[in-house]
Amino acid sequence: DIQMTQSPSSLSASVGDRVTMTCQASQDIRKYLNWYQQKPGKAPKLLIYDASNLETGVPSRFSGSGSGTDFTFTISSLQPEDIATYYCQQYDDLYTFGQGTKLEIK
Amino acid sequence: QLQLQESGPGLVKPSETLSLTCNVSGGSIRNSIYYWGWIRQPPGKGLEWIGTIYFNGSTCYNPSLKSRVTISVDTSKNQFSLKLSSVTAADTALYYCARLYSSNSQNFDYWGQGTLVTVSS
Repeated sequence: DIQMTQSPSSLSASVGDRVTMTCQASQDIRKYLNWYQQKPGKAPKLLIYDASNLETGVPSRFSGSGSGTDFTFTISSLQPEDIATYYCQQYDDLYTFGQGTKLEIK
Repeated sequence: QLQLQESGPGLVKPSETLSLTCNVSGGSIRNSIYYWGWIRQPPGKGLEWIGTIYFNGSTCYNPSLKSRVTISVDTSKNQFSLKLSSVTAADTALYYCARLYSSNSQNFDYWGQGTLVTVSS
């Protein structure tokens, strides 16, 4: 089975900062990688699909890149409402989520 | 607007069977480009995919849970269900139902609010 490893596990940044987090797959998953945002007490929300495609209605400050085993998720200018835990998820072979990156405001 | 709503007992005894239902409104469960799934999240932990079902009853399960999981669909009621047998405290979690878009891509694009199931005697 495919393992997904996210880093860092937690991240503290200031409003306006550029924030980057990564997701590594245990084997080649091509572009079959999604990113979700989960705010406290809420269900996850799809932000990015197929590694780099922005879901409809999601602000353009969110972006994703990568293919194969290494992927990056970026927030270009952190906003207070972006405080959440972010999860990657592969669908090359069944479905596996990473353990999450918790983003906090400094 | 599509809505998914989980329902079922919030407390299940060890060794018994957990049963949940997801009611889908605002869209048909028969839509051919969607599957329907269950995902869980233990308190304070990450997300674990449990399984998915197509409207024709075709299923796919997480290998780690496969021996204990049954997912079924009732198209006449526009709902699908989860049964997890022989539960232990490790099955205590927030259980989400979700829609899996499956066409030229695959992603969980709509989620229910989640329902907490506690396994305890």
